[in-house]
Amino acid sequence: ELKVEQNPLFLSMQEGKNYTIYCNYSTTSDRLYWYRQDPGKSLESLFVLLSNGAVKQEGRLMASLDTKARLSTLHITAAVHDLSATYFCAAGSLPGGYQKVTFGIGTKLQVIP
Amino acid sequence: KAGVTQTPRYLIKTRGQQVTLSCSPISGHRSVSWYQQTPGQGLQFLFEYFSETQRNKGNFPGRFSGRQFSNSRSEMNVSTLELGDSALYLCASSWGTGEKKNIQYFGAGTRLSVL
Repeated sequence: ELKVEQNPLFLSMQEGKNYTIYCNYSTTSDRLYWYRQDPGKSLESLFVLLSNGAVKQEGRLMASLDTKARLSTLHITAAVHDLSATYFCAAGSLPGGYQKVTFGIGTKLQVIP
Repeated sequence: KAGVTQTPRYLIKTRGQQVTLSCSPISGHRSVSWYQQTPGQGLQFLFEYFSETQRNKGNFPGRFSGRQFSNSRSEMNVSTLELGDSALYLCASSWGTGEKKNIQYFGAGTRLSVL
């Protein structure tokens, strides 16, 4: 059974600093997702990573995937307050040929001015 | 293009009752997944439907059930509600093309409180 672990679970950082959120998954997965959730809101898709070495960037966020290590990272560059949210990674597996997505428990990011 | 619509947004029920939640996917999306989100457990997969067929199911008791209609709209039902069923229930639809295939687009959720 696919398990997804994120760390840290909570992250408080100052504006302008850099930090990385880690996402480990337990078995082979053919795709890795990152989502953002603001308080009281639903989930918003950030990135989908499909192959080993894949790197995606959007603004101050960059996601990468290492399928051999079963590890994805979400790197935050020069954080700003607007990035405060909970970030989820999710891995897709194909039981019976159909995709099932397993989510990590989330990393709550607080950016302090 | 309209997003994923979930109704109702809020529900208050008492133990033992049953509840039905509704989800209308993005037009053209044929897959609908349901998740339960709680502070302690995060997002847990309930089930996924595609073209009216349940393709995957999570580890939830049989009190949780769902269905999908020919227009891809989906409902989930929880019978004999327990206090522990209080949660945010999220619906997500997917069926894109290329590398965006299987990206899930989430609705705003239904917040269920069981008293």
